[in-house]
Amino acid sequence: GIQVEQSPPDLILQEGANSTLRCNFSDSVNNLQWFHQNPWGQLINLFYIPSGTKQNGRLSATTVATERYSLLYISSSQTTDSGVYFCAVQIKAAGNKLTFGGGTRVLVKP
Amino acid sequence: NAGVTQTPKFQVLKTGQSMTLQCAQDMNHEYMSWYRQDPGMGLRLIHYSVGAGITDQGEVPNGYNVSRSTTEDFPLRLLSAAPSQTSVYFCASSYGQTLNTEAFFGQGTRLTVV
Repeated sequence: GIQVEQSPPDLILQEGANSTLRCNFSDSVNNLQWFHQNPWGQLINLFYIPSGTKQNGRLSATTVATERYSLLYISSSQTTDSGVYFCAVQIKAAGNKLTFGGGTRVLVKP
Repeated sequence: NAGVTQTPKFQVLKTGQSMTLQCAQDMNHEYMSWYRQDPGMGLRLIHYSVGAGITDQGEVPNGYNVSRSTTEDFPLRLLSAAPSQTSVYFCASSYGQTLNTEAFFGQGTRLTVV
């Protein structure tokens, strides 16, 4: 079946630190998105990035579709970055659905 | 634009009761879907629709019904609630029918079945 694996599962950072979150997927994708689920449960779109590199402020993401992985970079982390980061993919062979990874839980300490 | 709006935000049901979770979007998106999120897990697809009059099952459809009579609305019905349906429910929409565009999520409905 389709596999979307995120690592690490948990991450504790000191405010100001940088970090890299990884998403591996098992097949070719049409769609890959990164979301941040804040402590109130809201899912916030970070990046729509089936391939290439994008940057938005302190966050950036890179997807290497041919090697089936995506990376999310958080620079100069802030306490507001705490929450769970999800990668979600639409596998070409699997039809019209997003498959979510298990998430990376991030805690940024002041 | 309001984006994707879900109502209610919170609901408590007794086992066997029925209810409808509402989802509306004002972005003229063809694709709409329902997910559930259980503690410590990612989201799992329940049902989806690629346009008015068209619906299909996702990974975990049992116990849920959907219909799509308009482009804007995609309600999720629980006909006889069970404790296993305690979860947080998210509705999402995206442009087009093939999900190869960005998906936008509502704020979620937290449902408890006692």
